[in-house]
Amino acid sequence: EVQLVESGGGLVQPGGSLRLSCAASGFTFSSYAMSWVRQAPGKGLEWVSAISAGTGSTYYADSVKGRFTISRDNSKNTLYLQMNSLRAEDTALYYCAKVWFGEGTTDYWGQGTLVTVSS
Amino acid sequence: DIVMTQTPLSSPVTLGQPASISCRSSQSLVHSDGNTYLSWLQQRPGQPPRLLIYKISNRFSGVPDRFSGSGAGTNFTLKISRVEAEDVGVYYCMQSTRITWTFGQGTKVDIK
Repeated sequence: EVQLVESGGGLVQPGGSLRLSCAASGFTFSSYAMSWVRQAPGKGLEWVSAISAGTGSTYYADSVKGRFTISRDNSKNTLYLQMNSLRAEDTALYYCAKVWFGEGTTDYWGQGTLVTVSS
Repeated sequence: DIVMTQTPLSSPVTLGQPASISCRSSQSLVHSDGNTYLSWLQQRPGQPPRLLIYKISNRFSGVPDRFSGSGAGTNFTLKISRVEAEDVGVYYCMQSTRITWTFGQGTKVDIK
């Protein structure tokens, strides 16, 4: 059974940093691209970032480019999102999602971890 | 970025009756490989999103056959043939043809 468990969320002041983690199990983590998607309270879904399987190529939404860094540790089956220079508008539930490369979509999602940026 | 526009934003439906959601993209979603990467996701209250349909019309594993997807190019539709109580939630279309993925605003389906 595919499982994705996010952690690392919390309350942080504007300008601060957080690192989110997503522990994956039930599939060969190193073989799949992974993505982060966020959802502000009461709002819709926003794609944040993605990382490929092989080369580890990374992709970012313009709203986070230069502030967020996605990475992965295949030896630990874990996906990360380093978030720096956080802003109030980054407040959201952050989901990690497994990318189904052959079909170009996300087939499994975690439960999410909440990030609140506030003074 | 490609803008995804869903209509309606809210859809009250009688149990057992059909529902339909439209999704329009600002640019063609046909990829250079010939595929169209348009998916539909369901988000039940308090739950993460769940994949229903991928590449316009393919149902994901375990998705009931009352859900169907259709369309081409820039216009797509999700249909629920007979709405059940468990179908209450918000439905999103998502394009992954371009490297930066984008979602529709979401359509809330609830029971009249």
